[in-house]
Amino acid sequence: EAGVVQSPRYKIIEKKQPVAFWCNPISGHNTLYWYLQNLGQGPELLIRYENEEAVDDSQLPKDRFSAERLKGVDSTLKIQPAELGDSAVYLCASSLNTYNEQFFGPGTRLTVL
Amino acid sequence: TQLLEQSPQFLSIQEGENLTVYCNSSSVFSSLQWYRQEPGEGPVLLVTVVTGGEVKKLKRLTFQFGDARKDSSLHITAAQPGDTGLYLCAGPLSGNTPLVFGKGTRLSVIA
Repeated sequence: EAGVVQSPRYKIIEKKQPVAFWCNPISGHNTLYWYLQNLGQGPELLIRYENEEAVDDSQLPKDRFSAERLKGVDSTLKIQPAELGDSAVYLCASSLNTYNEQFFGPGTRLTVL
Repeated sequence: TQLLEQSPQFLSIQEGENLTVYCNSSSVFSSLQWYRQEPGEGPVLLVTVVTGGEVKKLKRLTFQFGDARKDSSLHITAAQPGDTGLYLCAGPLSGNTPLVFGKGTRLSVIA
């Protein structure tokens, strides 16, 4: 069974440019998470979806970040415009539901120049 | 304020040595999870501890949940280079809440 798929794996952009990350969760997993991981830190939750509904987006900087999970399957996370401080690894994870084990993708490493 | 404090932050040891890393909080957790993350990969769940005082073993790894469910430890016996990675503890503060992660302990086992 395929794990959580993320693309791209690496992205380098200049500040003020837009960027988008894509995540395909494990088939049948209802809950999808986007995390931000800065260097030397643990992951921090940005947004959690139950099917297509965003049930926890309190940590998502809504002035520049947006996310969607159309049809409750794959998801995209967008930053527009990107800032230097957005350089980090963006991890996607999925689980059967909120109480179950989370499976993480390999992440997208974003560098903003 | 970091809800889960992990120590040490970095640890470099020789192959064959034993080690213990810690995860501490002033808050009570309904459960705690331990993950290992290798460079360029996402975290992988190692174990979940649920009951205060619980001890779980995974080959050479021993996980313990504190009696008060505020702390946990991971002990590795006879460390091997394959144990190298970032060890993260995480837990939900209560019920249906997202996981809170510690900053991790970065372990390097030298052959």
